[in-house]
Amino acid sequence: NAGVMQNPRHLVRRRGQEARLRCSPMKGHSHVYWYRQLPEEGLKFMVYLQKENIIDESGMPKERFSAEFPKEGPSILRIQQVVRGDSAAYFCASSTSSGNTIYFGEGSWLTVV
Amino acid sequence: AQTVTQSQPEMSVQEAETVTLSCTYDTSESDYYLFWYKQPPSRQMILVIRQEAYKQQNATENRFSVNFQKAAKSFSLKISDSQLGDAAMYFCAYRTLNQAGTALIFGKGTTLSVSS
Repeated sequence: NAGVMQNPRHLVRRRGQEARLRCSPMKGHSHVYWYRQLPEEGLKFMVYLQKENIIDESGMPKERFSAEFPKEGPSILRIQQVVRGDSAAYFCASSTSSGNTIYFGEGSWLTVV
Repeated sequence: AQTVTQSQPEMSVQEAETVTLSCTYDTSESDYYLFWYKQPPSRQMILVIRQEAYKQQNATENRFSVNFQKAAKSFSLKISDSQLGDAAMYFCAYRTLNQAGTALIFGKGTTLSVSS
């Protein structure tokens, strides 16, 4: 039963390093979403992707953050030159093209020290 | 832009009792989806229930049901026969059917505690 798979589950990075978070959608799902959850807060939309295409990146910070969903392989959320404020839980979700049901992964916890 | 509001930061309920979590939203669209997600201490996001706006019938999933009032833009979640395992943060979410923007928009959540 392969749901949305995220890895790593926990990642520690020093300030200035790069963080790469991976997400494999559920089987049959072609749409991927990335959300960020800061401590004691709700989920904030970051980016919405189809294979090889960014549909909506209105929630992505303008600098240091990028996302991709290649034709083959998982979706990757990349954070360059991490700062302490990037410490958060990053959730990936996936859906079919209809998007009438969106399933989440278990999240990746990034800690910047 | 669409917004989702959960006006109850915290709620509590006794085991076996019923509790209702409130959610209102703002949209100018007529077709959309509404969801309730549960986030237990493990932090995983679990889909609880889904409602299509074009359906008048309220969605039900076992002990979970919704009261969907489209005109009032209200979407409350009722949990019957509450169990200790229901303790979690509950998020209400909206999703447009507009092809240009189809991500979920979340409320800020309601923390539900269940006491025995």
